[in-house]
Amino acid sequence: DTGVSQDPRHKITKRGQNVTFRCDPISEHNRLYWYRQTLGQGPEFLTYFQNEAQLEKSRLLSDRFSAERPKGSFSTLEIQRTEQGDSAMYLCASSSPGGPETQYFGPGTRLLVL
Amino acid sequence: AQKITQTQPGMFVQEKEAVTLDCTYDTSDQSYGLFWYKQPSSGEMIFLIYQGSYDEQNATEGRYSLNFQKARKSANLVISASQLGDSAMYFCAMREQSDAGNNRKLIWGLGTSLAVNP
Repeated sequence: DTGVSQDPRHKITKRGQNVTFRCDPISEHNRLYWYRQTLGQGPEFLTYFQNEAQLEKSRLLSDRFSAERPKGSFSTLEIQRTEQGDSAMYLCASSSPGGPETQYFGPGTRLLVL
Repeated sequence: AQKITQTQPGMFVQEKEAVTLDCTYDTSDQSYGLFWYKQPSSGEMIFLIYQGSYDEQNATEGRYSLNFQKARKSANLVISASQLGDSAMYFCAMREQSDAGNNRKLIWGLGTSLAVNP
């Protein structure tokens, strides 16, 4: 049973650069979520997809952030013109419809913006 | 607005003893779900246990049980027979389960850091 995978696991970049993260959900899950977690905080919701449709987007997701799930399978999260405040752990989760819709998380991508 | 409160920033427990991690929540919705996750230092968020608002019995999963008191809006996690590997951050989260709209996001508390002493 393959869980949620994320790539890369770690990313160090300079301020102003663009970065892209990838998330591969559990294969039978049609729902995919992105969260951001800063040090000492719980995760904060960024966005959510059902299949390829982006159904909800947090106000935290500024114009510099964009997420896609073009074929309803893997998803990418891009941050343009990174800022030091973007340094965080970016978590991806997936779930299947029905029942508790438990979200299962990947290992996360740690981003450090210098 | 939905809110999750975890009032214990850090907890210590002796190996093999039980420990209770507190979680209170606030919601105006009648249908909701409560989740507990464990986050080791590696960073991955690991699902532990779920309680639905209409579930009449407290949820249990192995050494984890949930003390659900709906009138008090509390959903405390009980870990029995603590092990060294239980040392981690523990997060309580809530999701409203209304069929209306597309609300699927989890709202999270700040977490409790648990240290298990040998």
